[in-house]
Amino acid sequence: DAGVIQSPRHEVTEMGQEVTLRCKPISGHDYLFWYRQTMMRGLELLIYFNNNVPIDDSGMPEDRFSAKMPNASFSTLKIQPSEPRDSAVYFCASSPHSGGVREQYFGPGTRLTVT
Amino acid sequence: TQLLEQSPQFLSIQEGENLTVYCNSSSVFSSLQWYRQEPGEGPVLLVTVVTGGEVKKLKRLTFQFGDARKDSSLHITAAQPGDTGLYLCAGAGETSGSRLTFGEGTQLTVNP
Repeated sequence: DAGVIQSPRHEVTEMGQEVTLRCKPISGHDYLFWYRQTMMRGLELLIYFNNNVPIDDSGMPEDRFSAKMPNASFSTLKIQPSEPRDSAVYFCASSPHSGGVREQYFGPGTRLTVT
Repeated sequence: TQLLEQSPQFLSIQEGENLTVYCNSSSVFSSLQWYRQEPGEGPVLLVTVVTGGEVKKLKRLTFQFGDARKDSSLHITAAQPGDTGLYLCAGAGETSGSRLTFGEGTQLTVNP
């Protein structure tokens, strides 16, 4: 079975440019999560969706960040305009609906560098 | 806000040694998970514990959930270089919906 797929794996861009990160969750999973990981702050939840609907976006840093999930098999995280402090590894994870246990399956991540 | 504190933050040991990593909180969690992350990859789920006092074993790894469901530990017996990685605990709060609270992680290095 294919796991969570993320693209691109690496992105280097200049400050002010728009960045779009992509994620394909595991088929049949109802939940999709976007995280950001840095050495200073660890793994931070940015936003999560249930059945394609955003449920909690309280972790989104500011208006420069937006996320969409147009269908059950695709989600994007967009940063516009990007800033050097956005440099981090961004992970997408998906989770099946299985009672009260929320086991998450992570993609390989996108390493973003903003210069 | 629920917080999970992991200790130690860094651990460097020799192959064959035993070690324990701790995950503590003042909050009660309905379940707690342990993940391992290797460089350049995403975290991979190792185990989920849901019952206070529960103990689960995965080969040389032993996971325990505290009786009050506020803390957990991971014990590795006879560590091997392949155990090297970042170990993360993550708790599901009783009222936090589907979101997990992650600890900051323990970076383990096992030297041959």
